[in-house]
Amino acid sequence: ETGVTQTPRHLVMGMTNKKSLKCEQHLGHNAMYWYKQSAKKPLELMFVYNFKEQTENNSVPSRFSPECPNSSHLFLHLHTLQPEDSALYLCASSQESGQGDNSPLHFGNGTRLTVT
Amino acid sequence: AQKITQTQPGMFVQEKEAVTLDCTYDTSDPSYGLFWYKQPSSGEMIFLIYQGSYDQQNATEGRYSLNFQKARKSANLVISASQLGDSAMYFCAMRPPIYNQGGKLIFGQGTELSVKP
Repeated sequence: ETGVTQTPRHLVMGMTNKKSLKCEQHLGHNAMYWYKQSAKKPLELMFVYNFKEQTENNSVPSRFSPECPNSSHLFLHLHTLQPEDSALYLCASSQESGQGDNSPLHFGNGTRLTVT
Repeated sequence: AQKITQTQPGMFVQEKEAVTLDCTYDTSDPSYGLFWYKQPSSGEMIFLIYQGSYDQQNATEGRYSLNFQKARKSANLVISASQLGDSAMYFCAMRPPIYNQGGKLIFGQGTELSVKP
């Protein structure tokens, strides 16, 4: 079992659907992230939660709505998506000391999303 | 602005040989961290190795080593004795201090490594 678990692994949804991606980390970390990976593009940071508080929203459209109920769980709620939102969505976690240190991010397997 | 550049979209290496994956970075922060991740076809991003900007010695982790040349702003990954299971995408990433953009990881475009038997 990996330290960061994402479900589902694959998701196909229509543009009018509402769905949610789930992420759970078993590493005792205090920060969680959503990244988007589109074909031929670098990973794009979407949201950062530090101690359950959202600290970064990287100009993400409102059709993506994150939720972090506790430091171990992170959700990404999806509604009225566009075909160009099809991508691999990766969740990650890290342990932040607040000292500007360089903790690595630990990633899950990702959810492969296809919007039809 | 911070930036990571990987100039090799794809690389081939013969099994059991060594390979170097290039990475250059740009930052004005004196303190930063450099990382390499491996992404197999399954999609998971696997942390490989880390180098701090103040570290005097190059980082090593098993068959992975990081050739850190600070003056040239390069952080190349060296994989020794390549194995078929090393075939994957490899991403170089940089993390600025937390006061700069929350310390978020900045990724390069990636290099696809193929190991030939």
